[in-house]
Amino acid sequence: DTEVTQTPKHLVMGMTNKKSLKCEQHMGHRAMYWYKQKAKKPPELMFVYSYEKLSINESVPSRFSPECPNSSLLNLHLHALQPEDSALYLCASSQVRNTEAFFGQGTRLTVV
Amino acid sequence: KQEVTQIPAALSVPEGENLVLNCSFTDSAIYNLQWFRQDPGKGLTSLLLIQSSQREQTSGRLNASLDKSSGRSTLYIAASQPGDSATYLCVGSGSGGSNYKLTFGKGTLLTVNP
Repeated sequence: DTEVTQTPKHLVMGMTNKKSLKCEQHMGHRAMYWYKQKAKKPPELMFVYSYEKLSINESVPSRFSPECPNSSLLNLHLHALQPEDSALYLCASSQVRNTEAFFGQGTRLTVV
Repeated sequence: KQEVTQIPAALSVPEGENLVLNCSFTDSAIYNLQWFRQDPGKGLTSLLLIQSSQREQTSGRLNASLDKSSGRSTLYIAASQPGDSATYLCVGSGSGGSNYKLTFGKGTLLTVNP
């Protein structure tokens, strides 16, 4: 199983809502990532978890709050987002040291 | 700081043609080089991974090469098909000494015409 599963596939939320994105993998990978991708642009790194600990935060606004409850799950909690946060949010996983990265199909987020 | 450049930005070819997508990177201390495919609005599908000690990898009609000394990688697609139409992303890992940093090129948008 080389699959990274993201839910939901689509999400529309108001600026006062609280929602969460979920990512799951069962490949035994101990590094998990959140990326944000705007249209016609490459993905931009947001967060990296290594062994369930946050190792990289790319100066992401606090309205995005990541969580890694166990080695298979990665969540991204959303609160008070802005319309410019609308994007495709991608989750990825890999072994810790420079091996193949696997991406999920993404969550298309629209903030209204 | 690692930078990855992909040329061309867009490519349109007739079905059946062999083609080459180019990628260059600035930091030769790259850990590995991965090629992805992305369909519109979808996630990234890994095509080929070349470890830093390797020179090339092959999968079906795809062949990717890596030349660390010149800072270049190529993705060769043989006998292209309309289903190959997608954006192809070249991604280097290990930028700036970080194991986790994936540095993305801006992609090549490939259109294969029937």
